Amino acid sequence: NAGVMQNPRHLVRRRGQEARLRCSPMKGHSHVYWYRQLPEEGLKFMVYLQKENIIDESGMPKERFSAEFPKEGPSILRIQQVVRGDSAAYFCASSPRVFPPGNTIYFGEGSWLTVV
Amino acid sequence: QKEVEQDPGPLSVPEGAIVSLNCTYSNSAFQYFMWYRQYSRKGPELLMYTYSSGNKEDGRFTAQVDKSSKYISLFIRDSQPSDSATYLCAILKAGNNRKLIWGLGTSLAVNP
Repeated sequence: NAGVMQNPRHLVRRRGQEARLRCSPMKGHSHVYWYRQLPEEGLKFMVYLQKENIIDESGMPKERFSAEFPKEGPSILRIQQVVRGDSAAYFCASSPRVFPPGNTIYFGEGSWLTVV
Repeated sequence: QKEVEQDPGPLSVPEGAIVSLNCTYSNSAFQYFMWYRQYSRKGPELLMYTYSSGNKEDGRFTAQVDKSSKYISLFIRDSQPSDSATYLCAILKAGNNRKLIWGLGTSLAVNP
């Protein structure tokens, strides 16, 4: 899973600031997924994107959260006006095409956001 | 009721033991079943993936699916200290836009 690159790995923000998390999918992968992991809740789907399109954002909070996957450059998960409850590990994953069958998704190492 | 239930453990076994990890699920529409391993502060890594009832073997790992009971298992033979990690089951509905639904994970420690 080292092929999916996420940065920063660790991010500390004060309440009210903005957090931007970046994800470069594996080479040749055009599908990107963002998941959030909280200790007592496990991994939760947030959003699924293809190049320049949001396919499914049903797991995204309605406010303060947005995601994009532009034609050029990494996918970005943006959290505005962060609150302590946003502290979590955010994982990006990518897949080449249709998943499943025949393909799988690969996860990055995660970005750990701490809101103080 | 959660869609996917998994005993969080922790589970502690001696090296060489056979480990059994389990998940239950509630929705018969679930069609694809995966097991991931996650080391501390790392991303999930796919171990096994299956979409039919029965067994699938890969080295020391065997995934078992029983759709009639809505029960999935991962067996690890000849467990090693390097297997110490959290094991997550993940399940996908057919045609669900690839939205994985996860168990909470079982923490496993294999003691030398």
